[in-house]
Amino acid sequence: DQQVKQNSPSLSVQEGRISILNCDYTNSMFDYFLWYKKYPAEGPTFLISISSIKDKNEDGRFTVFLNKSAKHLSLHIVPSQPGDSAVYFCAARAGSYQLTFGKGTKLSVIP
Amino acid sequence: EAGVAQSPRYKIIEKRQSVAFWCNPISGHATLYWYQQILGQGPKLLIQFQNNGVVDDSQLPKDRFSAERLKGVDSTLKIQPAKLEDSAVYLCASSLVTREETQYFGPGTRLLVL
Repeated sequence: DQQVKQNSPSLSVQEGRISILNCDYTNSMFDYFLWYKKYPAEGPTFLISISSIKDKNEDGRFTVFLNKSAKHLSLHIVPSQPGDSAVYFCAARAGSYQLTFGKGTKLSVIP
Repeated sequence: EAGVAQSPRYKIIEKRQSVAFWCNPISGHATLYWYQQILGQGPKLLIQFQNNGVVDDSQLPKDRFSAERLKGVDSTLKIQPAKLEDSAVYLCASSLVTREETQYFGPGTRLLVL
């Protein structure tokens, strides 16, 4: 049973446009959400996070939105750059328990 | 600041053989994690250490997998005997005890079991 779902395996976006990556979750006990970015042959790198007490967190070109009632979060990248091309993993945590990761979405930013 | 180091980067073995992976976490990070990432999936936690004690090993297949962190710094993960389904990338991560939600990952060891 997948508790964190990234339903889009891939996404292509033109350089300069907005990239929106989506993530749904089923466990209402999750209280902290993270996005990780992974380049080929490298480990995932922490990108941005949000606590369940917030509905938005922004860091430069990256913004994460959380809709608790819909159990949905999204990562917005504006403007998208070719260097953003990577696999993005959504992860969630319930209290002090382990992180649960989604399957990832491969983002391709086309120059 | 040096990141999480892992070795080897790649390993090919035959089924029923044994294999070991090594991880050196970021200096000062008391919490260390081993993840298994099967192709097309997200990372799945195998075991979590805090210093040299095990915090969570509920998803570690203990009949064939073992891990240790004897001095609370480096860690090794062993598979004995390996099965075909163990083919995956094994990721090591570390974090501060006070910031366990933010984990820093190493480059991983890609294991292929033939």
